[in-house]
Amino acid sequence: GNSVTQMEGPVTLSEEAFLTINCTYTATGYPSLFWYVQYPGEGLQLLLKATKADDKGSNKGFEATYRKETTSFHLEKGSVQVSDSAVYFCALTLMGRGSARQLTFGSGTQLTVLP
Amino acid sequence: EADIYQTPRYLVIGTGKKITLECSQTMGHDKMYWYQQDPGMELHLIHYSYGVNSTEKGDLSSESTVSRIRTEHFPLTLESARPSHTSQYLCASSGQGAYGYTFGSGTRLTVV
Repeated sequence: GNSVTQMEGPVTLSEEAFLTINCTYTATGYPSLFWYVQYPGEGLQLLLKATKADDKGSNKGFEATYRKETTSFHLEKGSVQVSDSAVYFCALTLMGRGSARQLTFGSGTQLTVLP
Repeated sequence: EADIYQTPRYLVIGTGKKITLECSQTMGHDKMYWYQQDPGMELHLIHYSYGVNSTEKGDLSSESTVSRIRTEHFPLTLESARPSHTSQYLCASSGQGAYGYTFGSGTRLTVV
């Protein structure tokens, strides 16, 4: 079956530090990959996505590159801010019919950025 | 601006009460989902629907029920709330050709 494995948290960084949250996946086929962010007390928001190998998704200074050879989609940001404190979820979906379109989520990584 | 709405945001209710969590979306999405999110943050799919009059149970067994009488509306009902139902409930939707899901802001339910 499909699965997503995320780096366990919590992760605590100082402001302006470099961030990496690791994500690897297992999928039958060629998935589309996503990063979602959940701010305190809110639902999930799509942060970025990539739909094929070597694609780079980017948004708000965050980036992730779809690496088929290592089945990875690591999230990075060069300089984090306090406002980036949130829970980050990696997810995948397979393009197809029915249940294949459902998102499979990782377990989430809590990020806290200290001033 | 949210296109998927959940009410209430917070609910504290006594054991044994019947409750309905509301979820509505204005995007015309055919697929809708309910997730339960535990304190460890992990998301568990409890119900989903691929269209009107279509509902299925998700990966996590739940005592709740859902209905899909209208495309835009996907309410979740607990006939008799228990403390073990205390959790955050997230509703989401996705449409034809859309990548990923749009989530509501969630309902945080506490059963005392």
